[in-house]
Amino acid sequence: DAKTTQPNSMESNEEEPVHLPCNHSTISGTDYIHWYRQLPSQGPEYVIHGLTSNVNNRMASLAIAEDRKSSTLILHRATLRDAAVYYCILRDPRYSSASKIIFGSGTRLSIRP
Amino acid sequence: GAGVSQSPSNKVTEKGKDVELRCDPISGHTALYWYRQSLGQGLEFLIYFQGNSAPDKSGLPSDRFSAERTGGSVSTLTIQRTQQEDSAVYLCASSSRRTSGRAPYNEQFFGPGTRLTVL
Repeated sequence: DAKTTQPNSMESNEEEPVHLPCNHSTISGTDYIHWYRQLPSQGPEYVIHGLTSNVNNRMASLAIAEDRKSSTLILHRATLRDAAVYYCILRDPRYSSASKIIFGSGTRLSIRP
Repeated sequence: GAGVSQSPSNKVTEKGKDVELRCDPISGHTALYWYRQSLGQGLEFLIYFQGNSAPDKSGLPSDRFSAERTGGSVSTLTIQRTQQEDSAVYLCASSSRRTSGRAPYNEQFFGPGTRLTVL
């Protein structure tokens, strides 16, 4: 799996939008961009994934650069419960179908009340 | 429905003892994974099952670690002759290949983990 680069930590204020960046300059044409997050004392949970187009779901939005070398996870209105470590992961379904996830160090997001 | 469950939630053991950690995946999920997370560290892959077979054991750190899965469901991770460096949270995840419904392709669902402390 190709590597991703994320900031170690970020802070944001409650009820404000949060933009979490991820760089993946060696992404291949078939890599999907996945985001997971890990709340304190819990296992990771899926957030969102995409290939080329921007994606929205009830948790977040994923904005993917036109050249796909970077992406941004957007939390539209952060709450205290969004404080977690956010992982940006690339997965190629041709090779990683039902296989392991390689987690990097992620971004630790803190939310100020 | 029920999520991935793991037991025990906490385990304290003495160095040199054997321990067994259990994972109950989501019903119908064919793939099962074990990861571990040491204090302040990232998630480290250990082993992956497809059905009852383990095509990828590349993450097991030593031959003291083994895992099995029976009936395509429950899995047990066994650590023999535990060492202090084995102290970590051991996480289990399961996934299916469904592409319809709420679950996206290949999403992994994680359990709450077992916190293992080796004294």
